[in-house]
This record gives sequence, structure tokens and C-alpha cells, in this order.
Amino acid sequence: QVQLQQSGTELVKPASSVKISCKASGYTFTSNYMHWIRQQPGNGLEWIGWIYPGNGNTKYNQKFDGKATLTADKSSSTAYMQLSSLTSEDSAVYFCARSAYSRDYFDYWGQGVMVTVSS
Amino acid sequence: DVVMTQTPVSLSVSLGGQTSISCRSSQSLVHSDGNTYLYWYLQKPGQSPQLLIYKVSNRFSGVPDRFSGSGSGTDFTLKISRVEPEDLGVYYCYQGTHYPRTFGGGTKLELK
Repeated sequence: QVQLQQSGTELVKPASSVKISCKASGYTFTSNYMHWIRQQPGNGLEWIGWIYPGNGNTKYNQKFDGKATLTADKSSSTAYMQLSSLTSEDSAVYFCARSAYSRDYFDYWGQGVMVTVSS
Repeated sequence: DVVMTQTPVSLSVSLGGQTSISCRSSQSLVHSDGNTYLYWYLQKPGQSPQLLIYKVSNRFSGVPDRFSGSGSGTDFTLKISRVEPEDLGVYYCYQGTHYPRTFGGGTKLELK
């Protein structure tokens, strides 16, 4: 069965970086898009971008340009998102979610990673 | 960016009752390929969102027929009939037509 297993809770300091992971199983990792979505405390959902692990192509929400970097490791079927220059505004839950095509629905989601930025 | 405006922000419904949620987009969601990439998700408390409806009106696998989606262009509706306790949570519309992809602000469904 399809599973997206995300890494654990992160407590990080302002101005630092963090890299969170999303390990895929149960399907062909390289044939689907992996999206990342942010949910700030008490807020709605924001689309950060996608990566296509098959060729490494990425597409970002301009809002997250320079903030988020998406990568994928085909050998371990794991997608990563690095967040840099962290501020309290980046404190949020981050989800990975799979889609068959870039415009398609997200049919499977990770459980989410809580990132807290605090000194 | 395409702004997705959901109304109402919150809803109070009786078990067994019926309700609807509106989602309006600031631009048409009809893609040049003829498809309308409008989706509905439900986020139950403490969970990741789950897909209910894809491309306006298609129920995802396993979604009860109590859920139905309709609309076109910029105006979309999710209807829930015979509300059950498991339907409670926050509903989001989402568009996959334009970049950046955007979600509606959410509609919280609560029990009356």
C-alpha cells in the first residue's frame, strides 16, 4: 500500500536551516509528483511546490523561492525539503503529498512534520 | 495568484442534516486542455487532509455519495447530505489549474 512517511518534529533556531524528509513506499517513486504544503498554526494550507523525482524537475510557489529547496533521492525513494533562513513565520506543519500529474489531486499525504522555530 | 474564497468560514449542522460550501475563484479554473482542476479536501482534527472530490464533481474512491460537487468556471459548491459525525472537520477547495496552486481558506463544519 502507498505510504508517505515523514521525519519527526523539529525544533530549530532562528536563522538556521532544516531538512525534512518524506519516504515513499508502495508505488513507483519516480513516476509521480511530490508536492509540499505548509500549514501555519491555526491557518489554512499553502502550496510550496512540487518535484518530479523521475527527472528532478521542480516548480515552486514564488513566495517560497529562496526559502524552500526540493530534492529527491531515487535510490531511497525519499523526497526532501530544505528550509533556510528560518524565522518564527516558518513555524508550521509541513506535509508532503503525492499526485500522478502536476495538476492532479493529492491522493496520499504524509502525516506532517511540525517545525518550530525558536531561540 | 488565484484567490480561492470559501464561504461560510464555519458551519453548524445537525446530524442527518444537509449543508453546502461555496468556493469562488478570482479567475476561471478552466484549463486550456478543457479540464477544470478544482478539488475538495477534508481535514479531520489532527489528521492530514483527505481527498473528497476531484475535477469539480468526481467522488474519490471510497467517498460516500453523501458528498457531491458541482460548479463551473469560477463558482463551485460542495454539498453534504445526511451529515454524520465523521464528516466534521475543515473543508478546503484547491485549484490545480494555475500557478501557484492555491487553497481556499477553509470551512469548519461543526455539530449543532
